Amino acid sequence: GAVVSQHPSWVICKSGTSVKIECRSLDFQATTMFWYRQFPKQSLMLMATSNEGSKATYEQGVEKDKFLINHASLTLSTLTVTSAHPEDSSFYICSASTLTGGTDLAYNEQFFGPGTRLTVL
Amino acid sequence: GDSVTQMEGPVTLSEEACLTINCTYTATGYPSLFWYVQYPGEGLQLLLKATKADDKGSNKGFEATYRKETTSFHLEKGSVQVSDSAVYFCARMDSSYKLIFGSGTRLLVRP
Repeated sequence: GAVVSQHPSWVICKSGTSVKIECRSLDFQATTMFWYRQFPKQSLMLMATSNEGSKATYEQGVEKDKFLINHASLTLSTLTVTSAHPEDSSFYICSASTLTGGTDLAYNEQFFGPGTRLTVL
Repeated sequence: GDSVTQMEGPVTLSEEACLTINCTYTATGYPSLFWYVQYPGEGLQLLLKATKADDKGSNKGFEATYRKETTSFHLEKGSVQVSDSAVYFCARMDSSYKLIFGSGTRLLVRP
């Protein structure tokens, strides 16, 4: 199956600093990447959808100026948490997909990365 | 809005016991449905899927049937193993290809 990596796997930073998380599709070209946030013992909440070469689409309640997403190539998307605060501490997970759209609405599989645990002190 | 509801955990079973994790959804139309599994310290892995009514998804001994009459997609396994201990997420895909997840159910299988 398709492989998606994330880097780093964990990061600890001081309050007020910015942290960049990378998401890479290793063996396929991902037209669309998704960023999720998962709080302890809770479900995944979609933060934003990014398409290669265009601006990300953020879900309601997600601050786009705080969570900067860049999808510069078909194999790489980055999430930058700017001016991080302790409440931003969470598990961030990306997924990648080769959405074909069109009339085939049946299914477009998302392949998930292993996640990045962010701890803001 | 559209949502996915699954039974709260944790679910604790002895090895070789039967497993059922309930999942129901609300949606217009017939969305694709999924079960994902998250092992400790790892990302989500697709366990099985069904794309239309009456489809049965199956993998690794797990099964789930897409029931449009009851808007359900319950996960079942006849004999669980210790290695099945994980968190299981039910999900549906909306018309924008976004996944909407349930809250997750933690399964603990004891030897």
